[in-house]
Formats: sequence, C-alpha cells, structure tokens
Amino acid sequence: GIQVEQSPPDLILQEGANSTLRCNFSDSVNNLQWFHQNPWGQLINLFYIPSGTKQNGRLSATTVATERYSLLYISSSQTTDSGVYFCAAAYSGGGADGLTFGKGTHLIIQP
Amino acid sequence: GAVVSQHPSWVICKSGTSVKIECRSLDFQATTMFWYRQFPKQSLMLMATSNEGSKATYEQGVEKDKFLINHASLTLSTLTVTSAHPEDSSFYICSARIRASGANVLTFGAGSRLTVL
Repeated sequence: GIQVEQSPPDLILQEGANSTLRCNFSDSVNNLQWFHQNPWGQLINLFYIPSGTKQNGRLSATTVATERYSLLYISSSQTTDSGVYFCAAAYSGGGADGLTFGKGTHLIIQP
Repeated sequence: GAVVSQHPSWVICKSGTSVKIECRSLDFQATTMFWYRQFPKQSLMLMATSNEGSKATYEQGVEKDKFLINHASLTLSTLTVTSAHPEDSSFYICSARIRASGANVLTFGAGSRLTVL
C-alpha cells in the first residue's frame, strides 16, 4: 500500500510566524487530504488536494503529484492553529479505499 | 455540510464486556464507511472498510471476531468490540465518503474514546 511520510514531526513557532508542513507519498494518488486534529480528537478536513493548489484564508496547500509530495502552508500563525496536522492519501480505483495517514506534524504556536 | 455523527463519544467498560459504537451519516447516504483506530500520540490506522449490505473488509492484523462491523443501512455502520480487554482501549474514529463534483472526500466523526478497566 501507499506509504505517507510527514515532516517535521514537531514544530514550535511564535505567534505570527509562517510555517510549511511537508507530506511525501510513495505512489500515485487520486485522493490526498490534509486534516487538523483538535485537542478533543476531532479531525477537521482542511483540504482535498490530490493535485494543484488551493487556498483558504491563512492556509494554503500545494500537491505536485508527479513528484509525490504535498505542502501545507500556514501564514501568520495563531495559537489556535496548534495541534496535530495529518496528511492522508489513497489511490482508489473504485472509490472504495480508505486513506493512509502519515504520522502527523505536532505544531505548537506560542504567544 | 455533510456530517458524520458518532456515538458514544466516550465509554468506560469492564474487561470482558462488549461495546457497540455507532457511526451515522446525517444528511447523505454512505455505501462505504471506514473505521480507524488511534492510540495516544500516534497516527490513525485503518481497521476495516464497512460496505452496506455486505461483509466488511478487514485490514491485515485486525481480528474479525474481535471487531464486528455491521453496515445494515446507507446511513449507519456499527463497530462492536467484543469481550473487550484493556489493550483494546483506544480512540475509534469512523469516516464516510462524500462524492461531490467527482471528488472522493472522506469526512470523519468526532471519535469514540474507549477505556476498558
């Protein structure tokens, strides 16, 4: 199956800083999602981005499918951005495959 | 937007008992749902794929008789942890696929935290 690797595993930043989180995947994908897991465990879908670039407020993501990586950018970080960010990917021929998750990036934004 | 509801959000039980967790798609039909497990400070691991009207597909290493999955309708899948033991204590999360504009986005429930004493 697909292998998903995320870096860095931990990241500590001051409020207002920008950050880039990376996700490498081992094979072709037709589904790639970025999630933020809040302290209560809820996974919040940030982006569905198997290819291309998307932006949503201070967050943006880019996936270069041919080079098998995706990047999540967080600009002007706020303390509420703290938490674990997961990248998850799948190649689903029939649309019935679950996502494989990376180990996540634990982000701490200090005031 | 599409919502996946999971119940209960947390449960404590005695060793040897069985616990049922429900996963519902509230405003859409889901022919396929997925069950994940997450240990503290670790990633999510896919346990099984739940298919409406047919048997679930389990990932390698997941005991079918320990984790019973039933997907009896297009909006409900259940996971039953049978004869639970302390090592089954974990965070269980379900998800469902939403087909929108040709995309296959997975949306997740809020999770169920199981503690087995």
